[in-house]
Amino acid sequence: DVKVTQSSRYLVKRTGEKVFLECVQDMDHENMFWYRQDPGLGLRLIYFSYDVKMKEKGDIPEGYSVSREKKERFSLILESASTNQTSMYLCASRAISLPTARASYEQYFGPGTRLTVT
Amino acid sequence: QKEVEQDPGPLSVPEGAIVSLNCTYSNSAFQYFMWYRQYSRKGPELLMYTYSSGNKEDGRFTAQVDKSSKYISLFIRDSQPSDSATYLCAMSGGYGQNFVFGPGTRLSVLP
Repeated sequence: DVKVTQSSRYLVKRTGEKVFLECVQDMDHENMFWYRQDPGLGLRLIYFSYDVKMKEKGDIPEGYSVSREKKERFSLILESASTNQTSMYLCASRAISLPTARASYEQYFGPGTRLTVT
Repeated sequence: QKEVEQDPGPLSVPEGAIVSLNCTYSNSAFQYFMWYRQYSRKGPELLMYTYSSGNKEDGRFTAQVDKSSKYISLFIRDSQPSDSATYLCAMSGGYGQNFVFGPGTRLSVLP
């Protein structure tokens, strides 16, 4: 079974702190993603990575940065946490596959980190 | 207008009911359509996927895509309490492109 793990289930940080969220996948997937999930807004893509050391901005990258030094690990960094970054953060990974294969449609998600910034 | 809209719910139905979950979208370039299911305190997991228009059936679940109306549906027959979850539609414009997710519909199936 594919497993995507996230470093913390719950995190409480103060405004202005630097926050690191870690994600690890064990299936050698090339693509990895960071989303935030907010009520009424659904999942919004923050950053994604096609492969090691590669990163691309998603729809809402402001206030965030990422790092992918190893294939299995994708880190999300909040440089200076703010209260509007209080949210559920979900990491996902996806394999490269044929367009018709199920794997092209499937992102494997971690359980999420609920971050509260006070 | 949001790129993908979804009935917000919550939706409560009795066990055994037929459930219809729907999404509308505005981007005519979308060709890949998915339904993800998210249980409480878990990440989403892929439930159904379809390419372009048409129907696809898998057990009690049927996914339907009408590209001319920019409308997709997920039908659940003989709903069970274990179907209680949030259902997210997702779509993308092409192979390897990123997904755009709907906001999700929370479903409760009451025993």
